[in-house]
Amino acid sequence: DIQMTQSPSSLSASVGDRVTITCQASQDISNYLNWYQQKPGKAPKLLIYDASNLETGVPSRFSGSGSGTDFTFTISSLQPEDIATYYCQQYDNLPPGFTFGPGTKVDIK
Amino acid sequence: QVQLQESGPGLVKPSQTLSLTCTVSGGSISSGDYYWSWIRQPPGKGLEWIGYIYYSGSTYYNPSLKSRVTISVDTSKNQFSLKLSSVTAADTAVYYCATITPESGRVDYWGQGTLVTVSS
Repeated sequence: DIQMTQSPSSLSASVGDRVTITCQASQDISNYLNWYQQKPGKAPKLLIYDASNLETGVPSRFSGSGSGTDFTFTISSLQPEDIATYYCQQYDNLPPGFTFGPGTKVDIK
Repeated sequence: QVQLQESGPGLVKPSQTLSLTCTVSGGSISSGDYYWSWIRQPPGKGLEWIGYIYYSGSTYYNPSLKSRVTISVDTSKNQFSLKLSSVTAADTAVYYCATITPESGRVDYWGQGTLVTVSS
């Protein structure tokens, strides 16, 4: 089974700061890596798919990069509405499997 | 735009079977566009994929839950269902139905989620 790790587990930043979250897979997953935002009491929302593609309608301050085992998610200028927990998720097709990272909670300082 | 709505009991006794249904609107389960999936989230914890069913009827389950899970589909009602047997308190969670795009494994659409508590 592929394991996913995320760091940090939580962070606190000021409005306007650049925020970076990393996600690491236990083996090569190519670019089968997606990022989600979850606000309290709500279902997660897809932000980035295939490691670096911005989902339609998602603000351009969100971005993703990486391939293989190491991936990065960035908020270029943190906004108050970005307070949430962010999850990475990998997709393995042989056999099919989907694993989420443990999440990173983002707060405003 | 696909919309998903979970339904089912909010309270299940230990050792019994948890049963949930997801009603799909805005799209057809028979289309082949998605894996029709279940994902859960224990209170205050992370997300766990449970399994999926494809329009062909093929299923795939998380190996950690495989012995207790059954996902089925009713194309006439445009619904798919989850059964999880022999539940314990560890199965208490918000259960989401969702669509997964086969090519990228991304979860495109989510239901609002339903909390199922396992307690006597």
